[in-house]
Amino acid sequence: GQSLEQPSEVTAVEGAIVQINCTYQTSGFYGLSWYQQHDGGAPTFLSYNALDGLEETGRFSSFLSRSDSYGYLLLQELQMKDSASYFCAVKGSSNTGKLIFGQGTTLQVKP
Amino acid sequence: GAVVSQHPSRVICKSGTSVKIECRSLDFQATTMFWYRQFPKQSLMLMATSNEGSKATYEQGVEKDKFLINHASLTLSTLTVTSAHPEDSSFYICSASGPAGNYGYTFGSGTRLTVV
Repeated sequence: GQSLEQPSEVTAVEGAIVQINCTYQTSGFYGLSWYQQHDGGAPTFLSYNALDGLEETGRFSSFLSRSDSYGYLLLQELQMKDSASYFCAVKGSSNTGKLIFGQGTTLQVKP
Repeated sequence: GAVVSQHPSRVICKSGTSVKIECRSLDFQATTMFWYRQFPKQSLMLMATSNEGSKATYEQGVEKDKFLINHASLTLSTLTVTSAHPEDSSFYICSASGPAGNYGYTFGSGTRLTVV
């Protein structure tokens, strides 16, 4: 089967740094993505890793280790608006293949 | 950037009726679109992969005759929930693979379906 594991909830304060981990077990692997979803809204794309290493996009960074089937999303300088659900997702077959999502991590940012 | 438009955003229907949800890629051609279903506080569950000009590929456990998918053009995919029941009430979201070079998928704004 295919599964992605990530923590269900994370709490942090404004200005802090938080890391959301994701481990995956899939039959194929074509990249690990991260999406943000606010309550009632649609997921928005944050970051993508196809190769090992760190990708940085502003306050958000994402890391991948294919040998460990592991990745993480790093959020820096947390803001209240970062309170949302964060999903890791794996493309299992090709660059335009379907995404399989993890269960999501609810991030609560406190003042 | 890539934009996917999904309509309607909210719909309430009576049990036994059918509801059609549209998903359009506005500024790019999407040969492949995906339909997801999401229950409150849960993850996105892939229902089917919609391919332009061919039959959709459904995930295991998803009823093909209940969730009809049509992808008649490179910019439009539709999901029809037939003979809706209260348990079909959910958040339905479509997504599309963006133009070449865009590794992220663009999602529609979602449709909140309530069956009464």
